[in-house]
Amino acid sequence: LAKTTQPISMDSYEGQEVNITCSHNNIATNDYITWYQQFPSQGPRFIIQGYKTKVTNEVASLFIPADRKSSTLSLPRVSLSDTAVYYCLVGALSSGSARQLTFGSGTQLTVLP
Amino acid sequence: DAGVTQSPTHLIKTRGQQVTLRCSPKSGHDTVSWYQQALGQGPQFIFQYYEEEERQRGNFPDRFSGHQFPNYSSELNVNALLLGDSALYLCASSLVRGDTEAFFGQGTRLTVV
Repeated sequence: LAKTTQPISMDSYEGQEVNITCSHNNIATNDYITWYQQFPSQGPRFIIQGYKTKVTNEVASLFIPADRKSSTLSLPRVSLSDTAVYYCLVGALSSGSARQLTFGSGTQLTVLP
Repeated sequence: DAGVTQSPTHLIKTRGQQVTLRCSPKSGHDTVSWYQQALGQGPQFIFQYYEEEERQRGNFPDRFSGHQFPNYSSELNVNALLLGDSALYLCASSLVRGDTEAFFGQGTRLTVV
């Protein structure tokens, strides 16, 4: 399984764009990159997933360079409610079995007023 | 749609006791996975159930066992509780197709004293 490395913590101010980078040097050809968000005493929540280039949804954007050895989660104009732990996961998607998710320690994002 | 529901929300047990945690998956989902999350760490995969059978298992001892019922709900059982079993236990539901998003419940906070 590809190991991921991300910053332990980040601080930002309300209204700013936040970029959290994840390193996954040993990513395999079949691996996808997935980001989850977790608030205290709640289960993780899926944010975004991608394989290459750029993916955007109503919550975030995910940038993946051509070599796929890293990825960047971009949160536009964060608010206090975006304070949470963000996890970067790497793994293959299989049509025959549900995915076993491998979480690292995540990045604690704190948004300040 | 109620999403993934877990019960109880909090539980206190004594060392050596046994505990059963319950999970009802999101409507339409057929696969349930269980995760253990110690304080300050990311969730760790325990096992996964599909068609009432354990399909995948993480690095957890046999004291951890589970069950899935015909209605797709699931139980996690832990025997001979240790202080180190104190954690947030998360249930995630998904489809057996590995390319679908996993939805997590709010978890059960287990404290072993």
